[in-house]
Amino acid sequence: AQSVTQLDSQVPVFEEAPVELRCNYSSSVSVYLFWYVQYPNQGLQLLLKYLSGSTLVKGINGFEAEFNKSQTSFHLRKPSVHISDTAEYFCAVSDLGRDDKIIFGKGTRLHILP
Amino acid sequence: GAGVSQSPSNKVTEKGKDVELRCDPISGHTALYWYRQSLGQGLEFLIYFQGNSAPDKSGLPSDRFSAERTGGSVSTLTIQRTQQEDSAVYLCASSPPIGEQYFGPGTRLTVT
Repeated sequence: AQSVTQLDSQVPVFEEAPVELRCNYSSSVSVYLFWYVQYPNQGLQLLLKYLSGSTLVKGINGFEAEFNKSQTSFHLRKPSVHISDTAEYFCAVSDLGRDDKIIFGKGTRLHILP
Repeated sequence: GAGVSQSPSNKVTEKGKDVELRCDPISGHTALYWYRQSLGQGLEFLIYFQGNSAPDKSGLPSDRFSAERTGGSVSTLTIQRTQQEDSAVYLCASSPPIGEQYFGPGTRLTVT
């Protein structure tokens, strides 16, 4: 079965420093990939998605992610974080070879330090 | 257009009572998911409906939980004989055949 691994449950980063949140998924022929963000006491919203085309995907709020098929990864990056980026970030994968069900990782909590 | 809606937004119930949570997905979306999120925790998958296929119930934590989707649209999650550990935010999401999920605002369930 498809699985999604977010190795870091929490990531502390100083304000204005770069950040990378890691996401790996179990191998499959074709996948769609997503990152969602959940701000404190709010619902989930889509940050960015990879469906096809360029492997470097740009999303909202200055975030980007790169699809690496050989490493089965979809790491999320931002060159300079702000206090407002404090949130929980979820990676998700849809395995097109099976039932298209979207599977979520356990989430990474991003703490921005002043 | 309208997004995913859920009702009620909050539900307080006594231990042992049954509750029904409703989800209205975006029109035309073929897939519908239910998740549970406990305080400070990630998303716990409960059930997945895709078109006319049999639902994937692999995430339901016990036989007290059930869900149905009528006419390929509205879905109801039913929890029988609620327990205190059922207290959580229950999230519904829908998605088109290709693309991302759209989440509803959730129902906060408190079992006293």
